[in-house]
Amino acid sequence: AQTVTQSQPEMSVQEAETVTLSCTYDTSESDYYLFWYKQPPSRQMILVIRQEAYKQQNATENRFSVNFQKAAKSFSLKISDSQLGDAAMYFCAYRSRGNSGYALNFGKGTSLLVTP
Amino acid sequence: DAGVTQSPTHLIKTRGQQVTLRCSPKSGHDTVSWYQQALGQGPQFIFQYYEEEERQRGNFPDRFSGHQFPNYSSELNVNALLLGDSALYLCASSLGQGGSYEQYFGPGTRLTVT
Repeated sequence: AQTVTQSQPEMSVQEAETVTLSCTYDTSESDYYLFWYKQPPSRQMILVIRQEAYKQQNATENRFSVNFQKAAKSFSLKISDSQLGDAAMYFCAYRSRGNSGYALNFGKGTSLLVTP
Repeated sequence: DAGVTQSPTHLIKTRGQQVTLRCSPKSGHDTVSWYQQALGQGPQFIFQYYEEEERQRGNFPDRFSGHQFPNYSSELNVNALLLGDSALYLCASSLGQGGSYEQYFGPGTRLTVT
């Protein structure tokens, strides 16, 4: 089974600054998907960004970008120009590409605090 | 366009009882997955339903069962509740089972077992 590790239980960033959240994963598969989800206090999981392992180019969505290092099995999330609304739990997740893997495997999450 | 909805929002049950949680997928979606999120943890996959059949199951006992209806809505049933079943139960829907299809999550049902 694939495991996802988020080594930072909590992170803090000032408004307008940049913060990077770390994620590593363990897999023997060569093709898969990686995701970052945001869970605000309202509890609803929201997809932030998605990366397909066969694509070398790092995904970007507005202020959110990833640093995908396939060989190192690392998938970090960079949030630029942080805003108060970015405060939430952030979860890294893995999903297999093949028909055997429909489940999302989540890490334990990183709580992001944004200070004015 | 309604997103994923879940009911009830909160639920309190006694150990040994049975509970049913409900989920309506996002319009146009045909696949429903259920996750259990214990306090301070990431969600854990319970199972996924597609075409009214359980297609994949996580490491959960048979006390956890489900159903998908012809309109794609789904139920999660938990029998013989344990204190450890207290958690946030999340439903996610998608178009198709896997691939790059995004799973859209509902707001969850908070289950407390006393």
